[in-house]
Amino acid sequence: DGGITQSPKYLFRKEGQNVTLSCEQNLNHDAMYWYRQDPGQGLRLIYYSQIVNDFQKGDIAEGYSVSREKKESFPLTVTSAQKNPTAFYLCASSAIPGQGGYGYTFGSGTRLTVV
Amino acid sequence: SQQGEEDPQALSIQEGENATMNCSYKTSINNLQWYRQNSGRGLVHLILIRSNEREKHSGRLRVTLDTSKKSSSLLITASRAADTASYFCATAGRSNDYKLSFGAGTTVTVRA
Repeated sequence: DGGITQSPKYLFRKEGQNVTLSCEQNLNHDAMYWYRQDPGQGLRLIYYSQIVNDFQKGDIAEGYSVSREKKESFPLTVTSAQKNPTAFYLCASSAIPGQGGYGYTFGSGTRLTVV
Repeated sequence: SQQGEEDPQALSIQEGENATMNCSYKTSINNLQWYRQNSGRGLVHLILIRSNEREKHSGRLRVTLDTSKKSSSLLITASRAADTASYFCATAGRSNDYKLSFGAGTTVTVRA
């Protein structure tokens, strides 16, 4: 079945530590996105990528970094510069308009907690 | 930035009743989408309505769009316990970056 796989499901980070969240899709989608969701709030865009080896900052990119070396993969690193990283992180992908569907497909999320 | 604002923030209804939630947005859009999120899970795409469309149906879902008022509504008819979830509207702007801006969501509880 096609879809997006996020791992791990739960992640604990110590103060001053960098951690990387994995996102893999087998939908052949060109565009991929990372969102952060805090309790009772909507999703805020961290980074997005429309093509391999290219990505753009979203609304809250500070303290995060990404790479897009393969079409299928878009890992997110939460660096020690992110002062309040505890949140639910969601990865999504979509086709580019003109190639069919436009709605996003989401992964099941990674819940990151600072300990 | 969050463009969509859902109303109400929470809704509790009896099984079999209809649920209506609204979304308002601020700037011109290419399309508006609705998503469902079950507790602790990812979002699931429900329906997309383009800026030149006024109404769209999908099963028990009916979405309307009024671009003059910059608002949309999602109606779930004959609700079921399985419809208990948070519902988010998301807007795609007119730029070519395909980004979606999400609102804070409406939490719907369907009582058996």
